[in-house]
Amino acid sequence: GNSVTQMEGPVTLSEEAFLTINCTYTATGYPSLFWYVQYPGEGLQLLLKATKADDKGSNKGFEATYRKETTSFHLEKGSVQVSDSAVYFCALTHSGYALNFGKGTSLLVTP
Amino acid sequence: ETGVTQTPRHLVMGMTNKKSLKCEQHLGHNAMYWYKQSAKKPLELMFVYNFKEQTENNSVPSRFSPECPNSSHLFLHLHTLQPEDSALYLCASSQDPGQGNYGYTFGSGTRLTVV
Repeated sequence: GNSVTQMEGPVTLSEEAFLTINCTYTATGYPSLFWYVQYPGEGLQLLLKATKADDKGSNKGFEATYRKETTSFHLEKGSVQVSDSAVYFCALTHSGYALNFGKGTSLLVTP
Repeated sequence: ETGVTQTPRHLVMGMTNKKSLKCEQHLGHNAMYWYKQSAKKPLELMFVYNFKEQTENNSVPSRFSPECPNSSHLFLHLHTLQPEDSALYLCASSQDPGQGNYGYTFGSGTRLTVV
């Protein structure tokens, strides 16, 4: 079946550091891939998405590229801020099935 | 506000109580979902409704009973819950199930504690 694997957290970075959160997936065909973010006390918000191979999703300085050859969708940001502290979820959907999420990666950015 | 509103935000209930969670969306979406978020576990899809019809039930225990009277409202009726049911329950909606282009819109969740 479809599944998503994310790197274990928590990830702690200093402000302005480079961020990478790894995500790999298992699915047949070409799923759509997403990153969601959950700030403390809130629900999940869509951060970015990519619907076909080699697409790059981007939003708020975050980027992720859909890599079919490595079945990956790693999240990156060149310079993180304290306000980026949150839990990040990689997810996929395929063939009309509901979103399938990874376990989430907690990010803490310190001043 | 995301356009998906969940009430209550917090709920504490005993194992013999009956309570209901409510979700309302004002986005004109046709599909609605219940997810369970527990610590250190992936989000678990519980139920999917498409045009008010239940299309997916992921082996959820019968002590959880969903209801979707129309495309804008979704309920989760709870009875005789167990302490391990304590979690954040998230409602989401999308234009259609498996929405590939727009993703889902989530509510802020109901934090449920079973004592």
